[in-house]
Amino acid sequence: QKEVEQNSGPLSVPEGAIASLNCTYSDRGSQSFFWYRQYSGKSPELIMSIYSNGDKEDGRFTAQLNKASQYVSLLIRDSQPSDSATYLCAGGDTGGGNKLTFGTGTQLKVEL
Amino acid sequence: GAVVSQHPSRVICKSGTSVKIECRSLDFQATTMFWYRQFPKQSLMLMATSNEGSKATYEQGVEKDKFLINHASLTLSTLTVTSAHPEDSSFYICSASPGTGGNEQFFGPGTRLTVL
Repeated sequence: QKEVEQNSGPLSVPEGAIASLNCTYSDRGSQSFFWYRQYSGKSPELIMSIYSNGDKEDGRFTAQLNKASQYVSLLIRDSQPSDSATYLCAGGDTGGGNKLTFGTGTQLKVEL
Repeated sequence: GAVVSQHPSRVICKSGTSVKIECRSLDFQATTMFWYRQFPKQSLMLMATSNEGSKATYEQGVEKDKFLINHASLTLSTLTVTSAHPEDSSFYICSASPGTGGNEQFFGPGTRLTVL
């Protein structure tokens, strides 16, 4: 059973702080990983993808991948109240067909 | 880029009726489209995977005769909930994958179905 695990939270951070979201996965063969943001009542929105070990930065977001430890993380710098949402981590299935295995999501609350 | 539309956004129907939901990739061709269901405060549940011109692959426990999926073109997939019942009330979300590079999926805005 392929699994992606996340702490459900809520993770509360003050405005302006760095939010750190973590994810582990069981499928060693996964080559692609994604972070989606989902606001309450809305559909998920892709915010970051990462395929190689190391860091990938895009604006205030940095995704980190460590394949040896089977660990993916998302850092959000200068957190804003508008970042308050559920963040879903997903790993690409190695069985083909472009399927993703999603974690259950971490709820982030950015407090004023 | 990578825009996926879904129609309707919200539908209310009577028990026993059928409801069709359309999913379109607007600016790319989607080799694969996916249909998910999400109940309040729960995670996404993949219902089925569809490829253009072929039969959909349903996840375990999903009734293929109840949830009919058609993927007629590289930009359009439809989900029909047949003989809907109140327990089918949920948030249905489609996603589309261009199939280039990784497995990235782009989600439509979702359809909220309420069956009375």
